[in-house]
Amino acid sequence: EAGVTQFPSHSVIEKGQTVTLRCDPISGHDNLYWYRRVMGKEIKFLLHFVKESKQDESGMPNNRFLAERTGGTYSTLKVQPAELEDSGVYFCASSPIGVGVSGANVLTFGAGSRLTVL
Amino acid sequence: LAKTTQPISMDSYEGQEVNITCSHNNIATNDYITWYQQFPSQGPRFIIQGYKTKVTNEVASLFIPADRKSSTLSLPRVSLSDTAVYYCLVGEGFTGGGNKLTFGTGTQLKVEL
Repeated sequence: EAGVTQFPSHSVIEKGQTVTLRCDPISGHDNLYWYRRVMGKEIKFLLHFVKESKQDESGMPNNRFLAERTGGTYSTLKVQPAELEDSGVYFCASSPIGVGVSGANVLTFGAGSRLTVL
Repeated sequence: LAKTTQPISMDSYEGQEVNITCSHNNIATNDYITWYQQFPSQGPRFIIQGYKTKVTNEVASLFIPADRKSSTLSLPRVSLSDTAVYYCLVGEGFTGGGNKLTFGTGTQLKVEL
């Protein structure tokens, strides 16, 4: 089974530019999450999709960040315009629905997309 | 979500058993205890999860005392490839899946020859 795939693995952009990160979850996983780690900080939750719907976007830092999941398959996270403090590693994770109570905390993560804003 | 406290780092040698203890004094009744492992340049990887007593799988064991205010991840006979950051998380389990995980600083385990 293919894992969670993220693209690009590394992106270097100038401040003010736009970057779009893509995540392909495990096939059939209705739950899709975005997390990020900025320099020196802990991994933080950004948002959670259930199929194409945003279930929880409480972690999105500001309106420069836009996440979409059209069709309930892959997801994109766009940062526009990018700022220096957006530099970090963006992780995507997925999990299936209906795994029971104990499965709620078991996520499969991708390798991450490293974003460097100069 | 319950806050967790774990050592920042630990050192060990190949072949030894490593025990990483995590404190979660404010754990709630519905919370599960979940451990993730992260290698450099990779995303976190689920290792093991438990609610109470002991859980064992092919990778590790998880010991949870009756009061559930702490848990211990046990890695038997570690090797160099076990060098990674280990995260202890507690979070509510609920049907339908999908939980907002809260990562702490984790424990950096370094295994040497």
